[in-house]
Formats: sequence, structure tokens, C-alpha cells
Amino acid sequence: GDSVTQMEGPVTLSEEAFLTINCTYTATGYPSLFWYVQYPGEGLQLLLKATKADDKGSNKGFEATYRKETTSFHLEKGSVQVSDSAVYFCALKAGGSEKLVFGKGTKLTVNP
Amino acid sequence: EAGVVQSPRYKIIEKKQPVAFWCNPISGHNTLYWYRQNLGQGPELLIRYENEEAVDDSQLPKDRFSAERLKGVDSTLKIQPAELGDSAVYLCASSLGGSGHKETQYFGPGTRLLVL
Repeated sequence: GDSVTQMEGPVTLSEEAFLTINCTYTATGYPSLFWYVQYPGEGLQLLLKATKADDKGSNKGFEATYRKETTSFHLEKGSVQVSDSAVYFCALKAGGSEKLVFGKGTKLTVNP
Repeated sequence: EAGVVQSPRYKIIEKKQPVAFWCNPISGHNTLYWYRQNLGQGPELLIRYENEEAVDDSQLPKDRFSAERLKGVDSTLKIQPAELGDSAVYLCASSLGGSGHKETQYFGPGTRLLVL
């Protein structure tokens, strides 16, 4: 079945460090890919998405590129801030499906 | 524009008691989802509604869980009786509907349930 695998956390970085959170997927057809972020005490918010191969999603300095050849959608940010501390979820929706399949989440802590 | 509204935000009950969660989706959103998020895990879909019709309830434990979306707007998710393993965050999400896999789902803040 469809599945998402994220790098295990927690990830702890200093402010202004470079961030990569790896995400790979298994899906039938051509899925859409998403990154959601969950700040402490809040619900999930869409961070960015890509709906076809080679698309790059970007928002708030975060980027992820849909790589069909490696079935990956790694999240990157060049310079993290303390306010980026949150749990990040990679997710997919397989072609023709309305169902979001999530990874387990990666907790990021950014220290001043 | 208001987001997805859920209540209550927190609920503590004893096992075998009933509990209900309420969700009000974003205005105009035809599709509504209920997810369960266990500690340290990603959300898992319980049920999806298109307007008032439950079109995917394959992951809903029907022996104790029930849901309804009367009039195709607000929705209620109920557990009766609750078990210790039901402790989780219950998330409601909504989307416009009709755009398939490219469509974005918008999530509410969730209801954190603790069953003692």
C-alpha cells in the first residue's frame, strides 16, 4: 500500500543552521506530495506541496522538490529560526485518491 | 476567514464512558475528514464525507465509533464506550472537494482525548 517514510527525530539545530528532513514514499500512480507543520498546541498547517514530478514547493523559506526517480520529497531550509521549532509531517495523496497518508513526523528544535 | 473549528479542545473521561467531538469545517468546503493521531505518529484517516455522505469509512472501528454530518456542514464523531487505547488527538479537516489528489486539506486544532 501507499506509505511515507521520514527521517527519525528529534532534530536539534542552532539558529541559522541548514535544515534537511528526508522523506521518501511508496505509492501507486503519480501522487501529490505535501509537507505539513504542527506547532506546539496547534493543528496541522500546510507548509508546501507539489503535484507532479520535478515541481518545487516553497513557503516561508522552506523548499522541497518532487523527485520521481528517487521517490523523494526532502524538506530543506537554508537558515532556520527558533520559531521553526515544530513537528514536520511528510504526506502523500495517491492519484485518484482523497486520502492523505502521513509519515510519523520529525520533531525539530532550534536553539538560539 | 475562519478556519476549521473543533470542540472541545481537551477531554478527560473514564473508560467505558461515551464521548463526542464536534467539528465545523471551513465555509463552502464540501469534504470533511476525521483523523486520529496517536502519540508520536502521523494522523490516520477514520472517515471522509462528501457533503452528508460517508464515502470512506473503511478505517472507522464501527463497533464503538460513529459519525454523522447532518445537512452536510457540521460533523460529530462519537465513541461509545471509550477504551484506554482511544487516547489520542482527534483531528478534523476539510477541503473544497472535487479536485482529487491535488487538493489541500485544512486541519482544525484537534481534540486531545485522555481515557483513564
